[in-house]
Parts: sequence; C-alpha cells; structure tokens
Amino acid sequence: EIVLTQSPGTLSLSPGERATLSCRASQSVSSGHLAWYQQNPGQAPRLLIYGASTRATGIPDRFSGSGSGTDFSLTISRLEPEDSAVYYCQHYGRSPHTFGQGTKVEIK
Amino acid sequence: EVQLVQSGAEVKKPGESLRISCKGSGYSFTNYWITWVRQMPGKGLEWMGRIDPSDSYSNYSPSFQGHVTISVDTSINTAYLQWSSLKASDTAMYYCVRAGSSRLDVWGKGTTVIVSS
Repeated sequence: EIVLTQSPGTLSLSPGERATLSCRASQSVSSGHLAWYQQNPGQAPRLLIYGASTRATGIPDRFSGSGSGTDFSLTISRLEPEDSAVYYCQHYGRSPHTFGQGTKVEIK
Repeated sequence: EVQLVQSGAEVKKPGESLRISCKGSGYSFTNYWITWVRQMPGKGLEWMGRIDPSDSYSNYSPSFQGHVTISVDTSINTAYLQWSSLKASDTAMYYCVRAGSSRLDVWGKGTTVIVSS
C-alpha cells in the first residue's frame, strides 16, 4: 500500500500570496496517477488536478500541479479568499488508492 | 447533468445491518467504476473500495475488506455500500464517487451514518 504524506499540515497566507503544498509517496506513483482534491467545510470534495498536472474541467488556472515519482506539489499562484479549504492528494495507480492526510489552507 | 444521488442520513444501533445507495444519472453507468470514500468526523478521506458496474468486479482497501460489501444493480444504475453488523466506529460521512480513468471526477453529496446505542 502506498502511503502519501502531505506537508505542511496547515498553511496560513494572505490573499494574493502563493501557496505550495507537498505530497510525498512511500513508493513511486505509476504513470503520474496522482490527483488533488479541494474540500470546503460541509461540502463534498472536488477534483482539482489529475495526472499530476492536468487541471480538471472548470478549475481556475491559478491552480497547478507538478511532480513525478514520489514527490508532487500543488501550487496556488495567487490566493483568493474562496481557496480557504482542505486539500488532499490521492494516488490512483495500484489499489488501494490511498489519500494523503490533507493540508488545510487558511486565508488571513 | 452528470450526478450521483445518495440516500439519506441513517441512525442505527451497534450490531444492526445497513445498506446505503448511490444512483447515477446523466452518463453511461456501466462505463465508470464507483468508489466509496469514508470521512470520519473531523478527519480526512479514506478510500474504501470500488466496483466496476460492467461486471460487478470489486476490490477493497485492506482496512475495510471483510467489514463492508460493495455491490451494484445496473438495472437501476445504483451502487450500494452495506454492513452486516455496524460498530460505533462506523459513524462517518460516506461518499460515492464516479471514477473516470480511476480519478474521482464526480462526487455524491454524501450519506451520514450515525451508529449509537
């Protein structure tokens, strides 16, 4: 089973700043099968990024993903107040398709 | 519109059985896996398992194998998650999710399950 470790646990930044979230895998993630999800309080998560770097439909271009192998990152280039949420990475290569524990982004 | 509509909240006692449902619409139901994800109160997301509606093949996370069963009825485009004997630790929100090429692209709104004596 692949274990995904996200850091930091919490990120507190001001609007307009750049946020960089990390996701490290215990084994190589095959073919870049790494996704990022955003979850706002009281809501279901939504897909942001898949294939490590492809934005899902309707996702603003201030969200970008990168990485390969065991090290991945999600960057929010210019934080907006509505970006305050918890972000999860997930691999979807070999089953089970585990999630990271999440990074909470707070907007000051 | 592509959507997954989940059944309503449930309150059960330990030891009881339960089946919750997830009805897909707006797409070809048999062309996409359905995955179930657990979120315990105040905690993160946990991948439980998935089913291929085209042939009912399923696989589970080792953490959930043997404790839950995932099934599907393609005649009504509905997937199910069931327990034969609930525990208090099953109290959580459960999401069904469409898996497009295994990434989780369409999420249901979730079903709250509370298990309490």
